[in-house]
Amino acid sequence: DSGVTQTPKHLITATGQRVTLRCSPRSGDLSVYWYQQSLDQGLQFLIQYYNGEERAKGNILERFSAQQFPDLHSELNLSSLELGDSALYFCASSEILGYGYTFGSGTRLTVV
Amino acid sequence: GQNIDQPTEMTATEGAIVQINCTYQTSGFNGLFWYQQHAGEAPTFLSYNVLDGLEEKGRFSSFLSRSKGYSYLLLKELQMKDSASYLCAVRDHGSSNTGKLIFGQGTTLQVKP
Repeated sequence: DSGVTQTPKHLITATGQRVTLRCSPRSGDLSVYWYQQSLDQGLQFLIQYYNGEERAKGNILERFSAQQFPDLHSELNLSSLELGDSALYFCASSEILGYGYTFGSGTRLTVV
Repeated sequence: GQNIDQPTEMTATEGAIVQINCTYQTSGFNGLFWYQQHAGEAPTFLSYNVLDGLEEKGRFSSFLSRSKGYSYLLLKELQMKDSASYLCAVRDHGSSNTGKLIFGQGTTLQVKP
């Protein structure tokens, strides 16, 4: 157990729907990062939050949004889902200016 | 922007040594990481280099040359369980106050008996 908890582990949904992925960071980590990993792509950075505030933004679609709550857990919301959104979504946490990341086990999203 | 290149696939024999190369171009540089990822699982941290030279950790070593924008991961005494993807990631200077890592596409290593 890495200490970073992601739920759900698997999600199957239809095109056009909306889903919410949840991440609880490792205890003491203020930073949460979201990544998307498709079959033919590497880990693509989506967005970062630090202590409740958005800190960095990557190639995140407008249909996607995220937030970090006062208890530091984060949610990634994906709406108007398309087949191409099927991927593994990873959350990672770190201390700011830290040594690197600790990843959660990921959420496998399948859009049918 | 950032650009990170790694070979897509490599094959090696159990018990042998393999070197996985990574070249990078970034607007700044603040550390290079190697992660291991088994299929469908989370990446796990292997090594970190911020200064030039070799870092050794058991069967795994990682080397960095900042002037050449080059790193390699060396795996010795290969075991079947080392079959995985190896991800090179750079934390660039522009991200030094976010910790954001940019990952390469990964190198899939297959270890054969």
